Amino acid sequence: AQTVTQSQPEMSVQEAETVTLSCTYDTSESDYYLFWYKQPPSRQMILVIRQEAYKQQNATENRFSVNFQKAAKSFSLKISDSQLGDAAMYFCAYRSLNTGNQFYFGTGTSLTVIP
Amino acid sequence: AAGVIQSPRHLIKEKRETATLKCYPIPRHDTVYWYQQGPGQDPQFLISFYEKMQSDKGSIPDRFSAQQFSDYHSELNMSSLELGDSALYFCASSLGRGRQPQHFGDGTRLSIL
Repeated sequence: AQTVTQSQPEMSVQEAETVTLSCTYDTSESDYYLFWYKQPPSRQMILVIRQEAYKQQNATENRFSVNFQKAAKSFSLKISDSQLGDAAMYFCAYRSLNTGNQFYFGTGTSLTVIP
Repeated sequence: AAGVIQSPRHLIKEKRETATLKCYPIPRHDTVYWYQQGPGQDPQFLISFYEKMQSDKGSIPDRFSAQQFSDYHSELNMSSLELGDSALYFCASSLGRGRQPQHFGDGTRLSIL
């Protein structure tokens, strides 16, 4: 089965600075999707960014960008110009295209933004 | 290491039936979360429990109820099932509340015919 690993349980960043959250995964599949979700105190999962594995270009959404290294099975999230509202849990997720669109989640990284 | 166990893995029901999904957290974890993920959709937080008490409430329909038992396992009870309830239901567990690492189960795939 696929596994998703977030090795940083907690991270902190100074406001306006840049932070990178790491995510690695294990798979034998060639096509899949990768996601970063933000979970604020409401516990709702908010999609931050999505990457299709067949696309070499790294996805970008405003201040959020990823570094997708397919061969290394790495999918890190970079948050630029960090804002107080970025403080949340961040989950990395993998979606298989083969096994019935099964999702696999990492355990999350808690991001603190220091004013 | 033991992970979060969800049962059943797959469940097929008809409209207006009831269903019960079970979640067994990692040993010593005291917090359980339930999420619903419809086809092609992002996960929706339903409800969570900490030390057998409801902790946070999300988008859980009134037709659904859940509880956490003395052994910390949790059950999601779903009644008057609708076609739109077809989804993957994930359970996650953590040690403590707040922004703790959540360990997800593999989910229960519920299909409503």
